[in-house]
Amino acid sequence: SQKIEQNSEALNIQEGKTATLTCNYTNYSPAYLQWYRQDPGRGPVFLLLIRENEKEKRKERLKVTFDTTLKQSLFHITASQPADSATYLCALNLYGNKLVFGAGTILRVKS
Amino acid sequence: NAGVTQTPKFQVLKTGQSMTLQCAQDMNHEYMSWYRQDPGMGLRLIHYSVGAGITDQGEVPNGYNVSRSTTEDFPLRLLSAAPSQTSVYFCASSPGQGAYEQYFGPGTRLTVT
Repeated sequence: SQKIEQNSEALNIQEGKTATLTCNYTNYSPAYLQWYRQDPGRGPVFLLLIRENEKEKRKERLKVTFDTTLKQSLFHITASQPADSATYLCALNLYGNKLVFGAGTILRVKS
Repeated sequence: NAGVTQTPKFQVLKTGQSMTLQCAQDMNHEYMSWYRQDPGMGLRLIHYSVGAGITDQGEVPNGYNVSRSTTEDFPLRLLSAAPSQTSVYFCASSPGQGAYEQYFGPGTRLTVT
């Protein structure tokens, strides 16, 4: 069956460090992969999209990698801040515009 | 622009009752979809629409109906509420087909007793 795995345990890091979140998938061949941020009680907010032929994408302090051989995406936040604390969701595009989401990883950045 | 709006924000239903969750967007997006979010399971696609008059089922469509009579509105109807439908429901829209970001509404927290 198709499956997306994100770390179920929260990631706790110190302010200023780089946070790295992992998204693994099986039995998919996604054309794109997206990352979203979700704060408690709110809807997800889009962060980055990376295509299957792109190895890396950057936006300000954010970086996403996409390894279709390993079936893995890594999401990095450099110089992390307490305001980066949230749940981060990865999502894979299937055909058309249908997204399949992972359960998300909670990130806590402590000052 | 208001973006994607959802009403109500909270709702409590008794088993067997029906109701409609409202969703509207003012960005002229062709694609709209409904997700439910349950603890530990992530977002699951219920129904989606590629344009006015066109809808299709997602991963978990049973117990829900949708229609899309206008580009702006995409209501989700619960036909006969069950406790298993207790969840947080999110509506989303996107500009087109393919690699586009999804814009999510603030969500509706539904409890079925």
